[in-house]
Amino acid sequence: GQQVMQIPQYQHVQEGEDFTTYCNSSTTLSNIQWYKQRPGGHPVFLIQLVKSGEVKKQKRLTFQFGEAKKNSSLHITATQTTDVGTYFCKGGGSNYKLTFGKGTLLTVNP
Amino acid sequence: NAGVTQTPKFQVLKTGQSMTLQCAQDMNHEYMSWYRQDPGMGLRLIHYSVGAGITDQGEVPNGYNVSRSTTEDFPLRLLSAAPSQTSVYFCASSYSGFGYGYTFGSGTRLTVV
Repeated sequence: GQQVMQIPQYQHVQEGEDFTTYCNSSTTLSNIQWYKQRPGGHPVFLIQLVKSGEVKKQKRLTFQFGEAKKNSSLHITATQTTDVGTYFCKGGGSNYKLTFGKGTLLTVNP
Repeated sequence: NAGVTQTPKFQVLKTGQSMTLQCAQDMNHEYMSWYRQDPGMGLRLIHYSVGAGITDQGEVPNGYNVSRSTTEDFPLRLLSAAPSQTSVYFCASSYSGFGYGYTFGSGTRLTVV
């Protein structure tokens, strides 16, 4: 399947620090989705971005879709221990086999 | 609304045994899929279905079979279990494969010894 690359693989922060994960595709995407998986849990859909340059916010989370629709980022302001988990992106297009990124594991030191 | 229900939650198999992982959704979603999750490998697509009677292979289909006789159910069959199939398996569904978020089941943790 077509790959989206996600970085970093791991990120450890102190509570209150900001966090950003990036998702990059070699091809233009129709949309990008973000998911969160708590330790021991299952992925949960957070949001979908569709438009070039789109920015959406959910409380302390800010999601961006690049102008070329090939990259995206998820930024968390002032992390809390409840933000712990793995964040995945998934590229969308006309191919059902478009894959998830490998995820960024966020740990937060209280 | 139960969402996506997966059974069993845990399973231990011996090498060579066969089994079926069950997945059912009550949201009338057309698209259903199976993923396996291994440490450091992310979520890898095994098989998917875009509607009853229609299935296709994903990234890692070898050793697995699927069928979709109803909109609600999408079972995953392991034909002859191997230790390499030790993993966590997730079923996911979506209104369609494009443009809609996926709803995941709670997963099946499978160990093959």
